[in-house]
Amino acid sequence: QVQLVQSGAEVKKPGASVKVSCKASGYTFTSYGISWVRQAPGQGLEWMGWISAYNGNTNYAQKLQGRVTMTTDTSTSTAYMELRSLRSDDTAVYYCARAPGTGYDPWGQGTLVTVSS
Amino acid sequence: EIVLTQSPGTLSLSPGERATLSCRASQSVSSSYLAWYQQKPGQAPRLLIYGASSRATGIPDRFSGSGSGTDFTLTISRLEPEDFAVYYCQQYGSSSITFGQGTRLEIK
Repeated sequence: QVQLVQSGAEVKKPGASVKVSCKASGYTFTSYGISWVRQAPGQGLEWMGWISAYNGNTNYAQKLQGRVTMTTDTSTSTAYMELRSLRSDDTAVYYCARAPGTGYDPWGQGTLVTVSS
Repeated sequence: EIVLTQSPGTLSLSPGERATLSCRASQSVSSSYLAWYQQKPGQAPRLLIYGASSRATGIPDRFSGSGSGTDFTLTISRLEPEDFAVYYCQQYGSSSITFGQGTRLEIK
């Protein structure tokens, strides 16, 4: 079955960087894009950006431009999201999701990133 | 950026009742690129509806979506106990994708 499995929880200090992975299985990885969405504690969903697994084209949320980089490794069917210069308000659960152009489906299980001194 | 406003913020209903959730966009959503998601505590969101009215794979037919332009609706015809959750709408028709703030559906 189609599945996205994310890396484990991270604790980072302010100013550090975090890189979250998202390993895909059950479909042809390069046929779909991957989007990243985050959810701060008790809050709603915030779109972070999208990457084409076919050619690496990206589209980032303006709010995160300059701090986020999304990449893929087609040899391992894995997508990555790196966020730099972390602040306390970056504390959130980070999700990857397959983005076929008909909504996001499926989603990864989520990765909790905690930013604390 | 298209702002999506969901109403009501919280909806209190009983099992067996009909639920109607609204999502209003600040400008027209291109080609009805509007989706609905369900999220339960501690879980990732699950796609229910895409293209404003198409049910995702495996979604029961008590869930239906409608609307176009700036006004969209998710209807749950007869609530089951497992339907009590938070629901989000999303527009994916512009280069800057946005979500609504969510509607919490709680048991009355």
